[in-house]
Amino acid sequence: EAGVVQSPRYKIIEKKQPVAFWCNPISGHNTLYWYRQNLGQGPELLIRYENEEAVDDSQLPKDRFSAERLKGVDSTLKIQPAELGDSAVYLCASSLSAGPTEAFFGQGTRLTVV
Amino acid sequence: DAKTTQPPSMDCAEGRAANLPCNHSTISGNEYVYWYRQIHSQGPQYIIHGLKNNETNEMASLIITEDRKSSTLILPHATLRDTAVYYCIVRPPGRNYGGSQGNLIFGKGTKLSVKP
Repeated sequence: EAGVVQSPRYKIIEKKQPVAFWCNPISGHNTLYWYRQNLGQGPELLIRYENEEAVDDSQLPKDRFSAERLKGVDSTLKIQPAELGDSAVYLCASSLSAGPTEAFFGQGTRLTVV
Repeated sequence: DAKTTQPPSMDCAEGRAANLPCNHSTISGNEYVYWYRQIHSQGPQYIIHGLKNNETNEMASLIITEDRKSSTLILPHATLRDTAVYYCIVRPPGRNYGGSQGNLIFGKGTKLSVKP
């Protein structure tokens, strides 16, 4: 069975441009997370979905970041406009539920803003 | 914020046991202890989790102290491929919970270097 799939793997954009990241979670997984990871740091949670509902988006910078999870399956994270400080790896993870189960992570998208 | 304290780095000789400590003195009664690791340029990988009892799987063993204020992840025979950053996370069960209770919050972890 395929794991969590993210695309693209790498993205280079100029500042002030928009960018979008896509995540396909494991089939049947209700919980989906988006994380941002800066170099040398642990992943930082941006948003968590339970099915199609964003149950915690308190750490999502809403002035420029948005996310959606249509039909409770795939998810897209968007940044508009991107800033130099947004350069990071964006990770998506999914789990069966938010209960005591393991979460599976994708390979991430490495964003470079120049 | 992360509720755990881990040493920033550790070394281990190949073939020896790697014992990674984690302090979680403010853990609540219903919070689980999770361990993940992240090999360079990959997403984090689940290792093991537990509530009160010690746990073992094909990857590692998790020893939780009786007062649950600390735990140790044991890799019984470390290999070079175990070189990674290891994250200890405390997390409430989160089942059907809203808000932040189901979140998986990472700290800075321990960078384990397995040396030949």
